[in-house]
Amino acid sequence: ETGVTQSPTHLIKTRGQQVTLRCSSQSGHNTVSWYQQALGQGPQFIFQYYREEENGRGNFPPRFSGLQFPNYSSELNVNALELDDSALYLCASSSHTNTEAFFGQGTRLTVV
Amino acid sequence: AQRVTQPEKLLSVFKGAPVELKCNYSYSGSPELFWYVQYSRQRLQLLLRHISRESIKGFTADLNKGETSFHLKKPFAQEEDSAMYYCALSPSGTYKYIFGTGTRLKVLA
Repeated sequence: ETGVTQSPTHLIKTRGQQVTLRCSSQSGHNTVSWYQQALGQGPQFIFQYYREEENGRGNFPPRFSGLQFPNYSSELNVNALELDDSALYLCASSSHTNTEAFFGQGTRLTVV
Repeated sequence: AQRVTQPEKLLSVFKGAPVELKCNYSYSGSPELFWYVQYSRQRLQLLLRHISRESIKGFTADLNKGETSFHLKKPFAQEEDSAMYYCALSPSGTYKYIFGTGTRLKVLA
């Protein structure tokens, strides 16, 4: 059984650019959630995907968008990057019958 | 508003001393409560959840609906318990988490 994997592990982008982060869910999981963790803060819920449909969204602007693919892997896209988007982005997968989430190692995004 | 509060950013205790990491929540319905832990250089992982009522690595947590608290306790801290601990709430019927800001536990030799 493979765990949740995220790529890339680190990246640096310039303000105004766009970025795509990727997540492979754990085997057997059909639900993927994305979280943003700013320095010194707990993870904040961005949105969740279940069977390729968005299934709940946190308080994030529309320039944060996502996709889930038939194999349940997922992407997080952020347009028009701002300095405050610098954070650790966490992906978590779960089955829809169990609220336990399994987290990836995260992608550290720095916007300069 | 749905919120999780962890009042302590850092908690230092000596090995063998009791530990209590505080967590209070704000939610009008019946949430699920969790404790997640992150050891150094490892990913965030589930420690325990209130519905299972189990003791994991000697830690327990009791949901007190009257005080809206879910404090994490261990009678005798070990050095390997040093980690970042996050309390989280999952609103009923959803599969998302609302996390607190976390408490760093340092167990001193």
